Amino acid sequence: DGGITQSPKYLFRKEGQNVTLSCEQNLNHDAMYWYRQDPGQGLRLIYYSQIVNDFQKGDIAEGYSVSREKKESFPLTVTSAQKNPTAFYLCASSISGDLSTDTQYFGPGTRLTVL
Amino acid sequence: SQKIEQNSEALNIQEGKTATLTCNYTNYSPAYLQWYRQDPGRGPVFLLLIRENEKEKRKERLKVTFDTTLKQSLFHITASQPADSATYLCALADTGGFKTIFGAGTRLFVKA
Repeated sequence: DGGITQSPKYLFRKEGQNVTLSCEQNLNHDAMYWYRQDPGQGLRLIYYSQIVNDFQKGDIAEGYSVSREKKESFPLTVTSAQKNPTAFYLCASSISGDLSTDTQYFGPGTRLTVL
Repeated sequence: SQKIEQNSEALNIQEGKTATLTCNYTNYSPAYLQWYRQDPGRGPVFLLLIRENEKEKRKERLKVTFDTTLKQSLFHITASQPADSATYLCALADTGGFKTIFGAGTRLFVKA
Protein backbone atom coordinates (compact mmCIF):
# COMPACT_ATOMS: atom_id res chain seq x y z
CA ASP A 1 0.00 0.00 0.00
CA GLY A 2 2.76 2.43 -0.93
CA GLY A 3 4.13 3.32 2.50
CA ILE A 4 0.85 4.70 3.82
CA THR A 5 -0.71 3.20 6.91
CA GLN A 6 -4.20 3.75 8.22
CA SER A 7 -5.53 2.63 11.56
CA PRO A 8 -7.67 1.07 12.70
CA LYS A 9 -8.83 -1.15 9.85
CA TYR A 10 -12.31 -1.41 11.36
CA LEU A 11 -13.92 1.15 13.65
CA PHE A 12 -17.27 1.15 15.35
CA ARG A 13 -18.82 4.28 16.73
CA LYS A 14 -21.92 5.04 18.67
CA GLU A 15 -24.10 7.87 17.47
CA GLY A 16 -23.06 11.20 18.96
CA GLN A 17 -19.40 10.24 19.38
CA ASN A 18 -16.43 11.79 17.63
CA VAL A 19 -13.81 9.40 16.27
CA THR A 20 -10.36 10.01 14.80
CA LEU A 21 -8.91 8.01 11.93
CA SER A 22 -5.15 7.83 11.68
CA CYS A 23 -3.11 8.23 8.48
CA GLU A 24 0.68 8.11 8.38
CA GLN A 25 3.04 8.11 5.39
CA ASN A 26 6.78 7.53 5.19
CA LEU A 27 7.11 8.53 1.54
CA ASN A 28 8.18 12.11 2.30
CA HIS A 29 5.21 13.34 0.26
CA ASP A 30 4.06 16.93 0.65
CA ALA A 31 0.39 16.38 -0.18
CA MET A 32 -2.15 14.23 1.62
CA TYR A 33 -5.83 13.56 1.01
CA TRP A 34 -8.88 12.03 2.66
CA TYR A 35 -11.61 10.36 0.60
CA ARG A 36 -14.83 8.65 1.46
CA GLN A 37 -16.09 5.67 -0.56
CA ASP A 38 -19.69 4.46 -0.50
CA PRO A 39 -21.09 1.47 -2.42
CA GLY A 40 -21.86 2.35 -6.04
CA GLN A 41 -20.24 5.78 -5.79
CA GLY A 42 -16.88 7.17 -6.71
CA LEU A 43 -14.39 8.34 -4.14
CA ARG A 44 -15.37 11.73 -2.78
CA LEU A 45 -12.80 14.18 -1.48
CA ILE A 46 -13.22 15.28 2.13
CA TYR A 47 -10.08 17.33 2.81
CA TYR A 48 -6.64 17.74 1.32
CA SER A 49 -3.38 19.29 2.42
CA GLN A 50 -0.53 20.38 0.18
CA ILE A 51 1.80 21.46 2.95
CA VAL A 52 2.23 21.23 6.70
CA ASN A 53 -0.09 23.45 8.73
CA ASP A 54 -2.34 24.07 5.74
CA PHE A 55 -5.37 22.18 4.46
CA GLN A 56 -8.37 22.79 2.22
CA LYS A 57 -11.95 21.56 2.23
CA GLY A 58 -12.93 19.07 -0.41
CA ASP A 59 -16.39 18.42 -1.78
CA ILE A 60 -17.92 16.89 1.36
CA ALA A 61 -16.10 18.47 4.33
CA GLU A 62 -19.16 19.07 6.51
CA GLY A 63 -18.99 17.06 9.71
CA TYR A 64 -15.26 16.34 9.36
CA SER A 65 -12.11 18.01 10.61
CA VAL A 66 -8.39 17.47 9.98
CA SER A 67 -5.01 18.66 11.14
CA ARG A 68 -1.57 18.63 9.52
CA GLU A 69 0.94 19.35 12.24
CA LYS A 70 3.54 16.97 10.82
CA LYS A 71 4.41 16.17 7.22
CA GLU A 72 3.89 12.46 7.70
CA SER A 73 0.57 12.59 9.54
CA PHE A 74 -2.93 13.70 8.48
CA PRO A 75 -5.57 12.51 10.98
CA LEU A 76 -9.28 12.81 10.18
CA THR A 77 -11.89 13.37 12.86
CA VAL A 78 -15.45 12.34 12.10
CA THR A 79 -17.64 14.47 14.33
CA SER A 80 -21.15 13.89 15.57
CA ALA A 81 -22.27 16.53 13.06
CA GLN A 82 -21.65 14.08 10.21
CA LYS A 83 -25.12 12.69 9.53
CA ASN A 84 -24.19 9.51 7.72
CA PRO A 85 -20.64 8.56 8.65
CA THR A 86 -20.77 4.83 7.90
CA ALA A 87 -18.40 4.38 4.96
CA PHE A 88 -14.95 3.26 3.82
CA TYR A 89 -12.37 6.00 4.40
CA LEU A 90 -9.24 6.22 2.29
CA CYS A 91 -6.16 8.32 2.88
CA ALA A 92 -3.76 9.11 0.04
CA SER A 93 -0.60 11.07 -0.57
CA SER A 94 1.28 12.47 -3.56
CA ILE A 95 4.71 13.98 -3.99
CA SER A 96 3.80 17.61 -4.50
CA GLY A 97 0.04 17.93 -4.84
CA ASP A 98 0.26 18.67 -8.56
CA LEU A 99 -1.75 15.72 -9.81
CA SER A 100 -0.99 16.56 -13.45
CA THR A 101 2.44 15.06 -12.86
CA ASP A 102 2.06 13.05 -9.65
CA THR A 103 -0.05 10.06 -8.83
CA GLN A 104 -1.79 9.31 -5.59
CA TYR A 105 -0.72 6.49 -3.30
CA PHE A 106 -3.54 5.13 -1.19
CA GLY A 107 -3.59 3.53 2.22
CA PRO A 108 -5.47 0.31 3.00
CA GLY A 109 -8.54 2.15 4.29
CA THR A 110 -10.60 2.28 7.48
CA ARG A 111 -14.14 0.96 7.52
CA LEU A 112 -16.23 3.02 9.92
CA THR A 113 -19.58 1.73 11.12
CA VAL A 114 -21.98 3.71 13.26
CA LEU A 115 -23.98 1.52 15.59
CA SER B 1 -22.59 19.32 -13.07
CA GLN B 2 -19.41 17.37 -13.72
CA LYS B 3 -20.05 13.69 -14.12
CA ILE B 4 -18.00 10.56 -14.71
CA GLU B 5 -19.73 7.39 -15.78
CA GLN B 6 -18.38 3.89 -15.71
CA ASN B 7 -20.42 0.83 -16.50
CA SER B 8 -21.98 -0.19 -13.21
CA GLU B 9 -22.62 -3.71 -14.44
CA ALA B 10 -19.84 -6.19 -13.84
CA LEU B 11 -17.86 -7.37 -16.83
CA ASN B 12 -17.36 -11.13 -17.10
CA ILE B 13 -14.83 -12.47 -19.58
CA GLN B 14 -12.93 -15.65 -20.25
CA GLU B 15 -9.25 -15.96 -19.46
CA GLY B 16 -7.06 -15.00 -22.40
CA LYS B 17 -9.57 -12.57 -23.89
CA THR B 18 -9.23 -8.79 -23.97
CA ALA B 19 -11.23 -6.86 -21.38
CA THR B 20 -12.38 -3.38 -22.38
CA LEU B 21 -13.70 -0.95 -19.80
CA THR B 22 -15.26 2.43 -20.57
CA CYS B 23 -15.11 5.78 -18.83
CA ASN B 24 -17.32 8.62 -20.08
CA TYR B 25 -17.44 12.13 -18.73
CA THR B 26 -19.60 15.22 -19.18
CA ASN B 27 -19.33 18.91 -18.34
CA TYR B 28 -15.61 18.57 -17.84
CA SER B 29 -12.44 19.34 -19.76
CA PRO B 30 -9.81 17.28 -17.98
CA ALA B 31 -6.14 17.81 -18.49
CA TYR B 32 -5.48 14.16 -17.83
CA LEU B 33 -7.12 10.90 -16.86
CA GLN B 34 -5.93 8.11 -14.58
CA TRP B 35 -6.91 4.47 -14.13
CA TYR B 36 -6.67 2.66 -10.81
CA ARG B 37 -7.22 -0.90 -9.70
CA GLN B 38 -9.03 -1.62 -6.43
CA ASP B 39 -9.35 -5.01 -4.76
CA PRO B 40 -12.16 -5.64 -2.24
CA GLY B 41 -11.53 -3.95 1.09
CA ARG B 42 -8.31 -2.31 -0.06
CA GLY B 43 -7.14 1.06 -1.33
CA PRO B 44 -6.86 1.83 -5.07
CA VAL B 45 -3.55 1.26 -6.81
CA PHE B 46 -2.44 3.53 -9.66
CA LEU B 47 -2.08 1.89 -13.07
CA LEU B 48 -1.79 4.46 -15.87
CA LEU B 49 -2.04 8.19 -16.52
CA ILE B 50 -2.82 9.68 -19.93
CA ARG B 51 -2.78 13.38 -20.75
CA GLU B 52 -5.23 15.26 -22.98
CA ASN B 53 -2.68 15.55 -25.80
CA GLU B 54 -2.01 11.80 -25.80
CA LYS B 55 -4.24 9.44 -27.74
CA GLU B 56 -2.94 6.17 -26.38
CA LYS B 57 -0.70 4.83 -23.64
CA ARG B 58 0.54 1.30 -23.00
CA LYS B 59 2.06 -0.55 -20.08
CA GLU B 60 2.69 -4.26 -20.42
CA ARG B 61 -0.76 -5.83 -21.03
CA LEU B 62 -2.60 -2.57 -20.37
CA LYS B 63 -3.65 0.02 -22.92
CA VAL B 64 -5.53 3.26 -22.38
CA THR B 65 -7.03 5.55 -24.99
CA PHE B 66 -8.28 9.08 -24.44
CA ASP B 67 -10.68 10.74 -26.88
CA THR B 68 -11.40 14.31 -25.78
CA THR B 69 -13.89 14.77 -28.63
CA LEU B 70 -16.01 11.82 -27.55
CA LYS B 71 -15.22 12.59 -23.89
CA GLN B 72 -14.29 8.98 -23.37
CA SER B 73 -11.45 6.76 -22.24
CA LEU B 74 -11.15 3.06 -22.94
CA PHE B 75 -9.07 0.76 -20.76
CA HIS B 76 -7.95 -2.54 -22.26
CA ILE B 77 -6.38 -5.57 -20.58
CA THR B 78 -5.07 -8.03 -23.15
CA ALA B 79 -4.53 -11.74 -22.46
CA SER B 80 -6.58 -11.35 -19.29
CA GLN B 81 -5.93 -13.57 -16.28
CA PRO B 82 -8.04 -14.46 -13.23
CA ALA B 83 -5.63 -12.31 -11.19
CA ASP B 84 -6.89 -9.29 -13.14
CA SER B 85 -10.27 -9.64 -11.44
CA ALA B 86 -10.85 -6.41 -9.51
CA THR B 87 -12.68 -3.10 -9.71
CA TYR B 88 -11.16 -0.54 -12.05
CA LEU B 89 -11.64 3.18 -11.38
CA CYS B 90 -11.10 6.09 -13.70
CA ALA B 91 -10.25 9.53 -12.35
CA LEU B 92 -10.04 12.96 -13.97
CA ALA B 93 -8.28 16.15 -12.99
CA ASP B 94 -8.19 19.62 -14.45
CA THR B 95 -5.21 21.72 -15.44
CA GLY B 96 -4.56 22.87 -11.89
CA GLY B 97 -4.25 19.24 -10.93
CA PHE B 98 -4.85 19.58 -7.22
CA LYS B 99 -8.08 17.63 -7.11
CA THR B 100 -9.36 14.60 -8.93
CA ILE B 101 -12.85 13.23 -9.36
CA PHE B 102 -13.39 9.50 -9.47
CA GLY B 103 -15.86 7.26 -11.23
CA ALA B 104 -17.70 4.58 -9.28
CA GLY B 105 -15.69 1.84 -10.99
CA THR B 106 -16.41 -1.26 -13.04
CA ARG B 107 -16.04 -4.73 -11.54
CA LEU B 108 -14.16 -7.17 -13.77
CA PHE B 109 -14.34 -10.94 -13.36
CA VAL B 110 -11.97 -13.10 -15.40
CA LYS B 111 -12.94 -16.78 -15.48
CA ALA B 112 -10.33 -19.50 -15.82
